[in-house]
Amino acid sequence: GAVVSQHPSWVICKSGTSVKIECRSLDFQATTMFWYRQFPKQSLMLMATSNEGSKATYEQGVEKDKFLINHASLTLSTLTVTSAHPEDSSFYICSAQRWQGRNQPQHFGDGTRLSIL
Amino acid sequence: DAKTTQPNSMESNEEEPVHLPCNHSTISGTDYIHWYRQLPSQGPEYVIHGLTSNVNNRMASLAIAEDRKSSTLILHRATLRDAAVYYCILRDYSGNTPLVFGKGTRLSVIA
Repeated sequence: GAVVSQHPSWVICKSGTSVKIECRSLDFQATTMFWYRQFPKQSLMLMATSNEGSKATYEQGVEKDKFLINHASLTLSTLTVTSAHPEDSSFYICSAQRWQGRNQPQHFGDGTRLSIL
Repeated sequence: DAKTTQPNSMESNEEEPVHLPCNHSTISGTDYIHWYRQLPSQGPEYVIHGLTSNVNNRMASLAIAEDRKSSTLILHRATLRDAAVYYCILRDYSGNTPLVFGKGTRLSVIA
């Protein structure tokens, strides 16, 4: 069964709205989670690394003031898209690793499809 | 992470074996070879990974060339549910770094 849960699965909202996406590791603690974005017909692009208890690390070109990441507990990371606009419409996916180190698999959520009108 | 090269798309008949190739000529000695797949409208799913020896699990087999510059993911009997984009990814042995996705191979399975 799923080990990483993402919520909501999809959201449609008006331009200017802020949207929060949750990513939970269901039966393990994850000190690190990753956030990806995927546009139609394209591959996943890493947005940021979410670290429990500290600031997220953002990839080049990703606006940290627009995509707020909070990793307040060992099982929950949230991504908030602030003042969303149509160009932010995308498929957002999180991932976490059950065990630290030595090439353990990443577990992915089922993604959140965000549509901004 | 070192770069991988995969065909854009492949097609297979249902219940036939499928061999998905991946070239990684710049692989370093400490890079593991990972395979993930993404079904439509879902997040990626782990398939298999290996370092030097061939690997088998319930989903697939991974054949790694002796020089490690290429590998092949083998689905022994393709089903319609195997239609997905398959990603071959190199990952440092420490395994704590994020996965960097290329374009992958879109596998179509024909009934």
